Amino acid sequence: DVKVTQSSRYLVKRTGEKVFLECVQDMDHENMFWYRQDPGLGLRLIYFSYDVKMKEKGDIPEGYSVSREKKERFSLILESASTNQTSMYLCASSSRSLGRVRPGANVLTFGAGSRLTVL
Amino acid sequence: TQLLEQSPQFLSIQEGENLTVYCNSSSVFSSLQWYRQEPGEGPVLLVTVVTGGEVKKLKRLTFQFGDARKDSSLHITAAQPGDTGLYLCAGERGNQGGKLIFGQGTELSVKP
Repeated sequence: DVKVTQSSRYLVKRTGEKVFLECVQDMDHENMFWYRQDPGLGLRLIYFSYDVKMKEKGDIPEGYSVSREKKERFSLILESASTNQTSMYLCASSSRSLGRVRPGANVLTFGAGSRLTVL
Repeated sequence: TQLLEQSPQFLSIQEGENLTVYCNSSSVFSSLQWYRQEPGEGPVLLVTVVTGGEVKKLKRLTFQFGDARKDSSLHITAAQPGDTGLYLCAGERGNQGGKLIFGQGTELSVKP
């Protein structure tokens, strides 16, 4: 069963701590994404990557960075966690390179999410 | 600015009732996807619509893409408690390299 795995389901951190959220996919997908999900706001894109060592800012990149050293792994980093980063974080991957996408091809497979609480 | 307006945000109905969820935008999308998310899980794709006016059916769920590809609807006939969950629409814009824009979501509760 193919999947996207987020290793930490629940985390509690203190303000100012550095936080790593890890995501691994076993589908050999080129594209990987990090979203945050907040009630009433839907999913908002933080960063995405369409190749190893490549990264692009999404709609809300401030306060976050990412790392993609291997095709299957995409990490989200909070350099100095703040209370307004308390949220559900969802990792996703998709199978088409962005430069060759056709309408409807960019179907996302999501992980189960990482719920982060910053105190 | 929310590019995809989804309504209603909350819906609580009795088993057997029908319902419609709307997803509207002033922008044109190359495709529109619908996802369903259950508590503690990530969203799972239900359907993708690509052609303006397209209608797709998935058992008791009917999805429609507007003729101008700016809006979409999800209609559920005879809702069941198993339909409970968060429904999300997501639009794909052709000039955004395949990135998806999500609506706010509709939290559906179907009571037995």
